[in-house]
Amino acid sequence: DIQLTQSPSFLSASVGDSVTIACRASRDISTYLAWYQQKPGKAPNLLIYAASTLQSGVPSRFSGSGSGTEFTLTISSLQPEDFATYYCQQVNSYPITFGQGTRLEIK
Amino acid sequence: EVQLVESGGGLVQPGGSLRLSCAASGFTFSSYWMSWVRQAPGKGLEWVANIKQDGSEKYYVDSVKGRFTISRDNAKNSLYLQMNSLRAEDTAVYYCARENSAMVRGRAGVFSYTDFWGKGITVTVSS
Repeated sequence: DIQLTQSPSFLSASVGDSVTIACRASRDISTYLAWYQQKPGKAPNLLIYAASTLQSGVPSRFSGSGSGTEFTLTISSLQPEDFATYYCQQVNSYPITFGQGTRLEIK
Repeated sequence: EVQLVESGGGLVQPGGSLRLSCAASGFTFSSYWMSWVRQAPGKGLEWVANIKQDGSEKYYVDSVKGRFTISRDNAKNSLYLQMNSLRAEDTAVYYCARENSAMVRGRAGVFSYTDFWGKGITVTVSS
């Protein structure tokens, strides 16, 4: 199985900051990676697929990059509604797996 | 508007069974792969299983193989998860989700992703 390791697991930032979350795969997954945002008590929401393609309707302050085993999600100019937990997901091979999550909190 | 509504959750004893259902609307159900994803209390997301449009292919995470069965009825726009031999570690919120796919300009391959999720249904396995 492909393991995804996110770093950091916890991140504290202020409104207006720019933050980056990393996701490392245990083996090459090309760009078969997606990013999701989840707020407490809610279902996840797709942000990015194919490592860097922004899902329709997602604000442009969200961006993704990377290929192979190293990926990043960057949120520029944090807004109050961005404080949530973020997950990466690989869809390169079965079983599909998620990273353990990165919790982004307001400083 | 795409809607996915789960039902069938609840409290069950270890070793028991439950059948989750997901009613889909607002899209052509038979054109999409569908999946189940779960989240144990206070934990991260775990993909459980998915099924091809016509039901001819199914995949499972190892921890549920032989115990859970995913199925669908395209005439009823419904997805199911039959869960047998339930264990305490199966306790979670279970999400029904639609899988989509796209080609990206300049890149080979078809990229899949989960673009719509239900609100989730709670399954508790406890004596």
